[in-house]
Amino acid sequence: LAKTTQPISMDSYEGQEVNITCSHNNIATNDYITWYQQFPSQGPRFIIQGYKTKVTNEVASLFIPADRKSSTLSLPRVSLSDTAVYYCLVGDSWGKLQFGAGTQVVVTP
Amino acid sequence: EPEVTQTPSHQVTQMGQEVILRCVPISNHLYFYWYRQILGQKVEFLVSFYNNEISEKSEIFDDQFSVERPDGSNFTLKIRSTKLEDSAMYFCAIPLLGGRTDTQYFGPGTRLTVL
Repeated sequence: LAKTTQPISMDSYEGQEVNITCSHNNIATNDYITWYQQFPSQGPRFIIQGYKTKVTNEVASLFIPADRKSSTLSLPRVSLSDTAVYYCLVGDSWGKLQFGAGTQVVVTP
Repeated sequence: EPEVTQTPSHQVTQMGQEVILRCVPISNHLYFYWYRQILGQKVEFLVSFYNNEISEKSEIFDDQFSVERPDGSNFTLKIRSTKLEDSAMYFCAIPLLGGRTDTQYFGPGTRLTVL
């Protein structure tokens, strides 16, 4: 499984766009890039998944460059409720998810 | 989005006791997963269960752990003789409908406290 590196923490103000970049230099051809969000005392929540280029849903956008060695999760116009830990996962797994430490995003008024 | 319930929400037990954690999805699923998260640490994979058999397990999932699907719907995680270090949140997960198996819906978790 490809290892991922992401910032430990990021601070933002309400209404701003938050971009979290994840490095995965050893990503394999069959690997997908998946992001999860976790609030305290809750289980992780799937946000978005992509293989290449750009993916957008009602929650976030995921930008993946052509070499796929990194990806950026973009959270538009964050609110206080977006304060959470965000995890970047890479793999072609049959479901075995391997979480790292994630990025703690803190949104303040 | 699929729904999964977990019981109990909080379990307090004495070291050496057996505990059974339950996971009930709202509909039938072939895939189930168990994860745990020790307070302040990362989410760790324990075991995956496919079609009533363990498909993969981690180093954490030793002989003290077992999983079952006793009645075709409930999915249980048993710890035979709990240790202090088993204190953690335990989450079961199932694949999202129409998604890959690495897009999972996590239950609310059971907080296990071993004294």
